[in-house]
Amino acid sequence: AQTVTQSQPEMSVQEAETVTLSCTYDTSESDYYLFWYKQPPSRQMILVIRQEAYKQQNATENRFSVNFQKAAKSFSLKISDSQLGDAAMYFCAYRVIQGAQKLVFGQGTRLTINP
Amino acid sequence: EAGVAQSPRYKIIEKRQSVAFWCNPISGHATLYWYQQILGQGPKLLIQFQNNGVVDDSQLPKDRFSAERLKGVDSTLKIQPAKLEDSAVYLCASSLERATGELFFGEGSRLTVL
Repeated sequence: AQTVTQSQPEMSVQEAETVTLSCTYDTSESDYYLFWYKQPPSRQMILVIRQEAYKQQNATENRFSVNFQKAAKSFSLKISDSQLGDAAMYFCAYRVIQGAQKLVFGQGTRLTINP
Repeated sequence: EAGVAQSPRYKIIEKRQSVAFWCNPISGHATLYWYQQILGQGPKLLIQFQNNGVVDDSQLPKDRFSAERLKGVDSTLKIQPAKLEDSAVYLCASSLERATGELFFGEGSRLTVL
């Protein structure tokens, strides 16, 4: 069974600084997608960034970038120039391409931005 | 473009009562998901529909939970009878493509079972 592990229940960072959230996953599949989702307090979850496993190049979306290490099954999220609006729960998620293609989430990391 | 709509936003019931949640996905999205998110945990998939057929319901407690998606659009998730451990946020999401497509989430329905 596929599992996703986020080992940091909580993280905090000073505004304008950089923070990295960790994620590891377990799978025997070779083709899959990895995602980071953001869930602000009392608001709906939104996609932050997506990585295709077959791509070696790390995905980047403005201030958000990932460090994808396929052999190590590691997928960390780096947030540069942190802003107050980045405060939220962040979930790492995995999705296999074949079969039911279920999206499996990690336990989440609560990110606090200190002004 | 209208987002995923869910209702009710909040519901408080006593154990052994029943409750139903409704979801209207984004127009044209063939795949619909119901997730259960217990406080402090990540969302757990309960059931996934492709149009009006069930793709995955392996983690749905079928003795008390049921879901349907009539005509491949709206969906209803029902719990009967509710238990204390069913207290959670029930998230509905939809996507245009199954594998690569981004999931769009509703605001969720928060259930408290007393």
